[in-house]
Amino acid sequence: GAVVSQHPSWVICKSGTSVKIECRSLDFQATTMFWYRQFPKQSLMLMATSNEGSKATYEQGVEKDKFLINHASLTLSTLTVTSAHPEDSSFYICSARESGTFKNEQFFGPGTRLTVL
Amino acid sequence: AQSVSQHNHHVILSEAASLELGCNYSYGGTVNLFWYVQYPGQHLQLLLKYFSGDPLVKGIKGFEAEFIKSKFSFNLRKPSVQWSDTAEYFCAVNAPGGYQKVTFGTGTKLQVIP
Repeated sequence: GAVVSQHPSWVICKSGTSVKIECRSLDFQATTMFWYRQFPKQSLMLMATSNEGSKATYEQGVEKDKFLINHASLTLSTLTVTSAHPEDSSFYICSARESGTFKNEQFFGPGTRLTVL
Repeated sequence: AQSVSQHNHHVILSEAASLELGCNYSYGGTVNLFWYVQYPGQHLQLLLKYFSGDPLVKGIKGFEAEFIKSKFSFNLRKPSVQWSDTAEYFCAVNAPGGYQKVTFGTGTKLQVIP
């Protein structure tokens, strides 16, 4: 089956620093990837849609200058949390949709736990 | 805009009991519907999906869901739960076309007692 990986699986950083999270589709190409965040005991909230070769589409209320997304290739999207603060601590999950299909199915990565001190 | 509501936030069942988790969506057009499961400490996995055709969909691990268009519902069922079904279950919807943005419900935590 389609596999999506994320790196790192967890990260702890100091307030004010930037953190980069990678999302890779391992055995398929993904024109479109999605970034979600999940707060404890809450659902996944879509942050942005990452499109290979073009700018990401951000959801309302998500700061594009704070959450930088780069979809450099058909198998890699990165999310950089810039100048992280404790309120950015969360579980970040990416998903990828296989290119060239109409399956409308997304495959999820295992998530990255970010803790900002 | 599409939205999803799951009315049961926390369900506790004994093993062998039957399960039904409610899911209602709000969207006027054609939709794709999903149920995902997140076992403790693990990532989201697809349980089943509905795109078109037979409204009764069978998924993995004995789960099934029925799409009732008139009720905008996609309830998840399992006739006999096991302790290993303890997990959080998310209903999700997306509208075909565009970027296939998926909207998730708030999730239902299922606890199965041996």
